[in-house]
Amino acid sequence: DAKTTQPNSMESNEEEPVHLPCNHSTISGTDYIHWYRQLPSQGPEYVIHGLTSNVNNRMASLAIAEDRKSSTLILHRATLRDAAVYYCILRDRESQMGKLIFGQGTELSVKP
Amino acid sequence: DGGITQSPKYLFRKEGQNVTLSCEQNLNHDAMYWYRQDPGQGLRLIYYSQIVNDFQKGDIAEGYSVSREKKESFPLTVTSAQKNPTAFYLCASSRGTGPTGELFFGEGSRLTVL
Repeated sequence: DAKTTQPNSMESNEEEPVHLPCNHSTISGTDYIHWYRQLPSQGPEYVIHGLTSNVNNRMASLAIAEDRKSSTLILHRATLRDAAVYYCILRDRESQMGKLIFGQGTELSVKP
Repeated sequence: DGGITQSPKYLFRKEGQNVTLSCEQNLNHDAMYWYRQDPGQGLRLIYYSQIVNDFQKGDIAEGYSVSREKKESFPLTVTSAQKNPTAFYLCASSRGTGPTGELFFGEGSRLTVL
């Protein structure tokens, strides 16, 4: 799987939007972009995924650059419960789901 | 409610002892996985199973063993051969193994070797 690069940490204020960046300059045409988040002492949970077009769901939005070399996870109004480590992961169409490669992620802290 | 149950949540073990971590799912998922997480690190894949009675090694399988005799269950044994077993262990499952599928994780088991 291709590698992703994320900032180690970010801060946000409660009720403000948060933009979490991810660089994936070696992405291939068949790689899907997935985001998971992990709250302290819990297992990760799925957030969103996309291939080329921007995606929205109840948790977040995913904005994918036109050249697909970067993407941004958008939390529209951060809450204290959004404080977590956010992982950006690339999933190749041909490779096994089990080989999901988690990097170190971005630790998001939310201030009241 | 459907989900993944891992037990025990906390486990202490003496050096040289084997220990088995339980993972049960009632999501009717075919695929199951074990990951290991060390402090401040991402997850690393230990073993995964796409179907009953079949499993494959992940990136760090040495010192671990698994079985998949039932669809719902995928226990992980940490053997005495694992040199540094203290870690947070996470079990996950997914409906299939396609690139768009979602992984569902349990709450983890924290193993400490004394």
